[in-house]
Amino acid sequence: EAGVAQSPRYKIIEKRQSVAFWCNPISGHATLYWYQQILGQGPKLLIQFQNNGVVDDSQLPKDRFSAERLKGVDSTLKIQPAKLEDSAVYLCASSLGFGDDEGFFGSGTQLSVL
Amino acid sequence: QQQVKQSPQSLIVQKGGISIINCAYENTAFDYFPWYQQFPGKGPALLIAIRPDVSEKKEGRFTISFNKSAKQFSLHIMDSQPGDSATYFCAAPLTRGSTLGRLYFGRGTQLTVWP
Repeated sequence: EAGVAQSPRYKIIEKRQSVAFWCNPISGHATLYWYQQILGQGPKLLIQFQNNGVVDDSQLPKDRFSAERLKGVDSTLKIQPAKLEDSAVYLCASSLGFGDDEGFFGSGTQLSVL
Repeated sequence: QQQVKQSPQSLIVQKGGISIINCAYENTAFDYFPWYQQFPGKGPALLIAIRPDVSEKKEGRFTISFNKSAKQFSLHIMDSQPGDSATYFCAAPLTRGSTLGRLYFGRGTQLTVWP
């Protein structure tokens, strides 16, 4: 079974530029999550989708971050404009979406903002 | 917001030794406490989890010990191997339920096992 796919693996941009990350979840997984993992810290949830609807985006900095999951499959996370403090690994995860189901993470996109 | 305090920040153990990582939480009546393992360049993966109706859960060389009265749970890795070298995260739910989106993660423990 293929895992959660993310691209790109690495991205280097200058502050105030924009950047987008892409995620393709495990086939059949209704729930998709985006996490931010700053060096030396645990993952922090940014947004959770159930199919193509947002379940929780309370920790998403909406002035600069946006995410969409059109058609309820793959998803894109965008940052515009980027700040230095956005340097982190952005992880996507997916789960079946019902009960106490286990989530599976992708390998992430490492973003460096210079 | 739920707080989860993990210690130590880093741990060095010799091959064959026991690795112990601790996690403390506050003010929760909820019922799911997982540990995640993360290798460099990879996302975290669920390693083992416990519900507080039991005080211990063992899966191979990995054991969770849970102390509900002290609001603490710990991960024990017996016969530690170099392949166990990774970062380990404890987690606890922000709200009832165990789905990934409700979990608050600790800051992680970087384990190095020397051959």
